Amino acid sequence: AQSVTQLDSQVPVFEEAPVELRCNYSSSVSVYLFWYVQYPNQGLQLLLKYLSGSTLVKGINGFEAEFNKSQTSFHLRKPSVHISDTAEYFCAVNPHPQGGSEKLVFGKGTKLTVNP
Amino acid sequence: DTAVSQTPKYLVTQMGNDKSIKCEQNLGHDTMYWYKQDSKKFLKIMFSYNNKELIINETVPNRFSPKSPDKAHLNLHINSLELGDSAVYFCASSQDALQETQYFGPGTRLLVL
Repeated sequence: AQSVTQLDSQVPVFEEAPVELRCNYSSSVSVYLFWYVQYPNQGLQLLLKYLSGSTLVKGINGFEAEFNKSQTSFHLRKPSVHISDTAEYFCAVNPHPQGGSEKLVFGKGTKLTVNP
Repeated sequence: DTAVSQTPKYLVTQMGNDKSIKCEQNLGHDTMYWYKQDSKKFLKIMFSYNNKELIINETVPNRFSPKSPDKAHLNLHINSLELGDSAVYFCASSQDALQETQYFGPGTRLLVL
């Protein structure tokens, strides 16, 4: 079975500072990896995803993530955050078709708060 | 032209009542989902339907019953509501492939008193 660990439940940063939100996963099969963002009182929307190929994935709003197979990590980064990036961020995994439970498994989320 | 819509947005009800939440997607997707997000923001899948057929049924009480009249709609009916059912319920949809993006509705905030 797949599982996802987001190591930080809350990350406060100042505006224009860089940020990294950490995500580690465990799986006995290959996985697809996703980062979703949830703004206050809204549903989730996709930031970026890794399916295959280049391990550095670029997403919307200036975010990027790097897949590291040896460390089973998929950390999310942004070089300079804005107040509007304040939100809950969820890492998620989905198994390749060859195996797994065929469902998206979410981490517990990281609350990013950007202060002026 | 909302992609995934849910009604109602808020639902306040008494314990023991029966309620329904409706979900519609206009993206032409084959797969729809219901998720429950608890007060700690933990998001867990409840059900998934592919082309009106149930494909994922997590450990959810029998009081929860999904219904998919067509592939654009997935409704959730809850019988005998309990305090612990209070949460935000999200509907989502995707094309029929594990690597596809899931598109989420705005959520239904259920409060059971």
